[in-house]
Amino acid sequence: GENVEQHPSTLSVQEGDSAVIKCTYSDSASNYFPWYKQELEKGPQLIIDIRSNVGEKKDQRIAVTLNKTAKHFSLHITETQPEDSAVYFCAASIAGNQFYFGTGTSLTVIP
Amino acid sequence: DAGVIQSPRHEVTEMGQEVTLRCKPISGHDYLFWYRQTMMRGLELLIYFNNNVPIDDSGMPEDRFSAKMPNASFSTLKIQPSEPRDSAVYFCASSLTGPNYGYTFGSGTRLTVV
Repeated sequence: GENVEQHPSTLSVQEGDSAVIKCTYSDSASNYFPWYKQELEKGPQLIIDIRSNVGEKKDQRIAVTLNKTAKHFSLHITETQPEDSAVYFCAASIAGNQFYFGTGTSLTVIP
Repeated sequence: DAGVIQSPRHEVTEMGQEVTLRCKPISGHDYLFWYRQTMMRGLELLIYFNNNVPIDDSGMPEDRFSAKMPNASFSTLKIQPSEPRDSAVYFCASSLTGPNYGYTFGSGTRLTVV
């Protein structure tokens, strides 16, 4: 099955700086890559996703890039704010099958 | 829409007791998923349904776990008998278009088995 690795496991940045979280996947058939944000005592919330026919997608301060050749994708958060502090999960999915989640990155934005 | 609704939010039970977790998916969503989250194992898919029919239950840890979806607006996850190692946060999620599109999670049920 698919194996998704996520790095780093923890990340601290100063408010206003950028944060980058990276994930790799193993199965070249994976074609959908969502990112979720989980705040304390809440369920994961979809924040952005990308499909394999797209190399980059942006939504305000967040962006995701995908390199199919290298089988990795990344989440970029610019101009970080304290409310960006949360655990972020990447996932990969093969059409018609389940999501395979990374192990999560705990992001702390220091005011 | 109120989103995916799970109950209870917290459950503390003694080892050996039966536990039932409940989920109401978003109206119109035809996929429903049960996940378990622990520090050690992260997010694990237990089972998912399409149009109330179980599609893949390979993630269900053992026979002590069972899940049902009697109709489009309700699902249960039952553990009988419960064990301390079942302690985790259990999430329900639903999706409109299928398992390879983003889905919406509920707030979870934190289960503690003592």
